[in-house]
Amino acid sequence: DAGVIQSPRHEVTEMGQEVTLRCKPISGHDYLFWYRQTMMRGLELLIYFNNNVPIDDSGMPEDRFSAKMPNASFSTLKIQPSEPRDSAVYFCASGTGVNTQYFGPGTRLTVL
Amino acid sequence: KQEVTQIPAALSVPEGENLVLNCSFTDSAIYNLQWFRQDPGKGLTSLLLIQSSQREQTSGRLNASLDKSSGRSTLYIAASQPGDSATYLCAVNTGNQFYFGTGTSLTVIP
Repeated sequence: DAGVIQSPRHEVTEMGQEVTLRCKPISGHDYLFWYRQTMMRGLELLIYFNNNVPIDDSGMPEDRFSAKMPNASFSTLKIQPSEPRDSAVYFCASGTGVNTQYFGPGTRLTVL
Repeated sequence: KQEVTQIPAALSVPEGENLVLNCSFTDSAIYNLQWFRQDPGKGLTSLLLIQSSQREQTSGRLNASLDKSSGRSTLYIAASQPGDSATYLCAVNTGNQFYFGTGTSLTVIP
């Protein structure tokens, strides 16, 4: 298996633009997690899904952030409009339970 | 809200030395605690998972302990090697949320 796949690996955009991050989980995994990592705040859980249904989105910082999982093999995290403080590394992880998470390589987002 | 602290933030040791990384958390009502390793520019890799009812877990040269009542966990690395150089994070699972520490950056000097 190729592991969790995230795209793009790097994204540079200007403030106010819409940003879409993509994740393909490992086949057979029914949990999917989105995290954000910054130097200031460390690693934060934004939202996680079970069987394509959002279970807890209490970590989503504000309404500018939204996440979807239309099917078992694809998820997106969208930021609209983006702001410089959204600059971070965004990780997607998948697993067969909340305790078995396999992380993707991350997307480094820079908002100018 | 659960707060997770890791001390020290950075550690440098000569190869072969045994070392201990510390993790503390403020709320003892946890499901489990997990130790992860993160290499530069990469995601996290799970090392050890300790359930709230357990006291310790071992995997090879790694041993993790948990004292839930005092809100502490340690990761013991025996006979450290340069390949152990990475950032180590602990994460507390409260049932519906994960709280991560900011990590300890470990450098093992050959």
